[in-house]
Order: sequence, then structure tokens, then C-alpha cells
Amino acid sequence: EDQVTQSPEALRLQEGESSSLNCSYTVSGLRGLFWYRQDPGKGPEFLFTLYSAGEEKEKERLKATLTKKESFLHITAPKPEDSATYLCAVQLNNAGNMLTFGGGTRLMVKP
Amino acid sequence: EADIYQTPRYLVIGTGKKITLECSQTMGHDKMYWYQQDPGMELHLIHYSYGVNSTEKGDLSSESTVSRIRTEHFPLTLESARPSHTSQYLCASGENEQFFGPGTRLTVL
Repeated sequence: EDQVTQSPEALRLQEGESSSLNCSYTVSGLRGLFWYRQDPGKGPEFLFTLYSAGEEKEKERLKATLTKKESFLHITAPKPEDSATYLCAVQLNNAGNMLTFGGGTRLMVKP
Repeated sequence: EADIYQTPRYLVIGTGKKITLECSQTMGHDKMYWYQQDPGMELHLIHYSYGVNSTEKGDLSSESTVSRIRTEHFPLTLESARPSHTSQYLCASGENEQFFGPGTRLTVL
């Protein structure tokens, strides 16, 4: 059965304290892996798409990486405005454009 | 500016009422999606459409129905709302990456 698991479920950081969020997947035929940011009461905001192992994408303080089993979202020197829930989702070769989401990591950055 | 819109943002309604949640996008995408998300929980796909007059059910069984008469419009309807339908409903569109609307928070009393 295809599974997407995110860890930790919640993460508290001090401002400036770098860390990483994990998205591990066991799927048959990965086409792409997507990262989103979701603020409370809002729809997810697209961040990155990764297609192949070894690929990296960066945006401001965020960097996403991909291996054959997992993806990491690295947050460098986070600020309070980075507080949100970060979601990863997988797109499979045999599932059209549909996404299967993980449970998310709720990030809280304290000043 | 290309975007995706959902109305209403919040809806509180009594049991048994018929409701329609609106979703429109100005990005010209053929593919559109509806997700359901309970607080603190995962997003689950309930409907999708790959173009006009094309609709399919998603992974999560839902009593709602959808229609796709125009490319830009993908409304979701509940014929008789029940408290178990209380949730957040998110609409998305995109040919590969999916772009989400702000969501409709539905509460059925």
C-alpha cells in the first residue's frame, strides 16, 4: 500500500535555529514529490516539486531534497513568519495527476 | 492576475439544507480537484475533473456531487447537509502542480 509519512508531527524552534522536516514514502512508481506550506484556515501554498533522487530546490530559507525513500525540507535560520504546517505529497506514475498527502509537520518558530 | 477562488469562505447551515460550494479559476487549467480536510488532519481527495464534462470520484467516499460545465468553474453540491459533512473543503487546479483556493469552512448544525 502506498504510504506517505511526515515527521515530526510538530516541531518547535527558536528563531535562527535550523532544522529539517522529513517526508518518507513507500510507493510504487514515484512521478514527483511536492512540498506545500499551509497557514491556519487557508489553502496549501505550493513550494517545490522534486522529480528525481539527488534533486534539490531552494527558496529563501527553505531547501528541499529528494532520495529514493524520502525527502527533507531544510529550514535555515527560521523566522517566526515561517511558522506553518508543511505538507508533502506524492504523485504516482499510474495515478494521473492526483496527489497523496502526508499528515504534515506543524512548525512553530519562537522569537 | 491568475488565481483560484472559493465562495463562501465560511458557511453555517442547518441539517437537511442543500448547499453548493463554488470554485473558479482564471488560470485556464483543464484539471481541477476537490479535497476535504478536517482540522489538523490530512487532505483527502473527494472529486476531480480532467476537463469539461469529465468528473470522477476520489479516494475518500463523499456524498457530495460535482459538475464541470465550464473550464473555469467546478462547483460542489451537497443535496442534504448533515453534521458529518462539517469540514474544510479545498478546491485546487493545475496541470501538474496543484494550486489551492482559500477553502470553505462548512459547519452543519
